Amino acid sequence: GQNIDQPTEMTATEGAIVQINCTYQTSGFNGLFWYQQHAGEAPTFLSYNVLDGLEEKGRFSSFLSRSKGYSYLLLKELQMKDSASYLCAVRALGNQGGKLIFGQGTELSVKP
Amino acid sequence: DTAVSQTPKYLVTQMGNDKSIKCEQNLGHDTMYWYKQDSKKFLKIMFSYNNKELIINETVPNRFSPKSPDKAHLNLHINSLELGDSAVYFCASSPGLARTDTQYFGPGTRLTVL
Repeated sequence: GQNIDQPTEMTATEGAIVQINCTYQTSGFNGLFWYQQHAGEAPTFLSYNVLDGLEEKGRFSSFLSRSKGYSYLLLKELQMKDSASYLCAVRALGNQGGKLIFGQGTELSVKP
Repeated sequence: DTAVSQTPKYLVTQMGNDKSIKCEQNLGHDTMYWYKQDSKKFLKIMFSYNNKELIINETVPNRFSPKSPDKAHLNLHINSLELGDSAVYFCASSPGLARTDTQYFGPGTRLTVL
């Protein structure tokens, strides 16, 4: 079966660092994506990992361990505008047409 | 300027009606998708087209029929709407099916069935 788990909600303080975890069990793996979704808006792409290790992109970093079925998204120097839902998605293998399997998202609230 | 656009943004209709949602992308991508996001925020794939050919058809009632007249357009027609169809429907596109190809989402269509 396909299962992707993320915490439902997290709260953090402006200026702090927060780590959002994602664990997955899928029948195939072809990369992991993180998307950000503000309320009432479209998901927007943040990062992609297919090999183990850390990918850094400005204030956002994403880590992957394929052997553990685990990823995290690290947000540094939090800003109020980072309050959003963060979606972890695993890409299925090639013959499934690029399908992304999404977790339910982690609602992050950034407080002053 | 808009990369992936959808119309309408909001759709309120009665049970039993038939409605369509349109999607267009100007990114020159080969692959387009329809996703459904329910009230619990789960985003679930419904259909995918690559070069106008249907390649993913998840377990979706056959009241839902996608149509891709060309690579830049993917429309979704829904017959005999039911209360459970109320959700936000997102269109997305990607360059192709390579594993690094990112999917870009449209602004969504919020469908409310009364």
